Amino acid sequence: NFILTQPHSVSESPGKTVTISCTRSSGSIVSNYVQWFQQRPGSSPTTVIYEDNQRPSGVPDRFSGSVDSSSNSASLTISGLKTEDEGDYYCQSYDINTDVVFGGGTKLTVL
Amino acid sequence: EVQLVQSGAEMKKPGESLKISCKGSGYRFSNYWIGWVRQMPGKGLEWMGSIYPGDSDTRYSPSFQGQVTISGDKSINTAYLQWSSLKASDTAMYFCARRSQSSRTITFDYWGQGTLVTVSS
Repeated sequence: NFILTQPHSVSESPGKTVTISCTRSSGSIVSNYVQWFQQRPGSSPTTVIYEDNQRPSGVPDRFSGSVDSSSNSASLTISGLKTEDEGDYYCQSYDINTDVVFGGGTKLTVL
Repeated sequence: EVQLVQSGAEMKKPGESLKISCKGSGYRFSNYWIGWVRQMPGKGLEWMGSIYPGDSDTRYSPSFQGQVTISGDKSINTAYLQWSSLKASDTAMYFCARRSQSSRTITFDYWGQGTLVTVSS
């Protein structure tokens, strides 16, 4: 089993770029795809990135995902930040034994 | 349009039992895993377990095994999450979510609106 570690919070100004990391504790980050969910206050999560770097239809191309085997981590990058991007972001992967694994979540503040 | 509609908020006392539901529509319910996810107040997402309605195959997170029961009724396109004896620590928002059919990854593509469960004496 493994855990996914995210920073508790990040903040950045509108128009800037922010990157949220997600580090896998054991096993290779490239072994299983990583997804990213956005959760706005009072709402259900929605997918912003799936399979490491794919965007669902309707998600702006300001959102991008990547993985880095050297740091064993995945990253979500949001460019041209807007106030509407505020919320919590969760990375998610999976393990054959425990199925779904979520990261602890990162609160994004756009100020 | 794919939709997952969950039952309404519940307020219960410690020791009581509870069963909440998640009704799917807009797709072939039997053919997709449904997962349950807990979100405690101010906290993150935790996968509890999943069920495949087609044959009721069920998987639980080790953290929730024995604490809850996941079931389903494919005849009415509904999955359930139940407790036999609630504790105050079960107070949380509970989401159901449909697992995508991708063969390349395990993730959720549609989510219910959530059911808030409050357990207090």
